[in-house]
Amino acid sequence: EIVLTQSPGTLSLSPGERATLSCRASQSVSSNYLAWYQQKPGQAPRLLIYGASSRATGIPDRFSGSGSGTDFTLTINRLEPEDFAVYYCQQYGSSLTFGGGTKVEIK
Amino acid sequence: EVQVLESGGGLVQPGGSLRLSCAASGFPFSSYAMGWVRQAPGKGLEWVSSISGSGGSTYYADSVKGRFTISRDSSKNTLYLQMSSLGAEDTAVYYCAKSEGHKSRYYFDYWGQGTLVTVSS
Repeated sequence: EIVLTQSPGTLSLSPGERATLSCRASQSVSSNYLAWYQQKPGQAPRLLIYGASSRATGIPDRFSGSGSGTDFTLTINRLEPEDFAVYYCQQYGSSLTFGGGTKVEIK
Repeated sequence: EVQVLESGGGLVQPGGSLRLSCAASGFPFSSYAMGWVRQAPGKGLEWVSSISGSGGSTYYADSVKGRFTISRDSSKNTLYLQMSSLGAEDTAVYYCAKSEGHKSRYYFDYWGQGTLVTVSS
């Protein structure tokens, strides 16, 4: 099973700043099959990124994904108030596993 | 508009059974894989099970293999999760999600709002 480790656990930032979230896999993720989701309290997760770097439908371009192999990054440029949430990565190259999440909170 | 709506959650005793349903609309149901993802209170996301568009292939997390069964009825555009031998560790919100991908390599592009399953005596 591929284990995904997300860091940091919590990121404290102000609106307008850039957020950089990391997702590290215990082994290489096949074909860069990695997705990112956003979840707000009491809501279902929302797909942001698939295939490591492709934005899902309707996702603003301030969200971007990058990386390959075992190291992946979600970058949120110019944080908006609605971006403060928990973010999960998920690999789908070998079975399906999720990372433990990174909370982006208002500083 | 794509919509998925779960139902069937509730309180069940340890060792009991429960069946969750997920009604889907807004897309050609039999053309897409579907899956279940759960989230224990205050915890992260855990993939539970997936099924191909035809229903011919099913996949399970080790934690539920042999206890849970996923199925789908294309005539009703409905996904199911039959859960048995439930334990406290199965307490969670269960999300139904439309999937993209192929041959068990799925990500989830549309999610329902979830249904809470509580296993307790």
